[in-house]
Amino acid sequence: DQQVKQNSPSLSVQEGRISILNCDYTNSMFDYFLWYKKYPAEGPTFLISISSIKDKNEDGRFTVFLNKSAKHLSLHIVPSQPGDSAVYFCAASENRDDKIIFGKGTRLHILP
Amino acid sequence: ETGVTQTPRHLVMGMTNKKSLKCEQHLGHNAMYWYKQSAKKPLELMFVYSLEERVENNSVPSRFSPECPNSSHLFLHLHTLQPEDSALYLCASSQDTRSILYGYTFGSGTRLTVV
Repeated sequence: DQQVKQNSPSLSVQEGRISILNCDYTNSMFDYFLWYKKYPAEGPTFLISISSIKDKNEDGRFTVFLNKSAKHLSLHIVPSQPGDSAVYFCAASENRDDKIIFGKGTRLHILP
Repeated sequence: ETGVTQTPRHLVMGMTNKKSLKCEQHLGHNAMYWYKQSAKKPLELMFVYSLEERVENNSVPSRFSPECPNSSHLFLHLHTLQPEDSALYLCASSQDTRSILYGYTFGSGTRLTVV
């Protein structure tokens, strides 16, 4: 049973527009949420995180929104750039030192 | 160099072979992890080491045997694997096991094929 779900396997967005990647989770005990980005033949790289005491965290072009009541988080990338084409993984954990549960990922294609 | 180096990048082994995956980090981190990524599945945590002590074994079969001789090196010893063990094996490190909000640093992985 998947605790972290990324229901869109892929997403295509025009360069310069906003990319919105969605993630749902089932475990109400999750308190820490992260997004990772992965290029082919490379390991995932950490993008941004948020704890449950906040509902928004911003870092440059990347913003993560957390809606705890809906058990939903999203990653907004604006403006989208060609280098953003990658697989994006949503992840969550109950505690700071608990194991991280990953989603299956969403492949983002930025179109020229 | 990402700071976490995994070797080999690719490995093909028979079911009766014994091989080892190596991971090395030069970031001064105190926690290291092995993850497995099978096709069309999420990343699965296998083992966690903190200050060279194993703190998590996520119900991994004994044919996978981790070793952490020091805080910079992590090995995954493989023996009598099955074809379904074919996957991408990723090593990661972090400052400590509580640095979750700062993310882990992953290596590029070893693509393992068991024939």
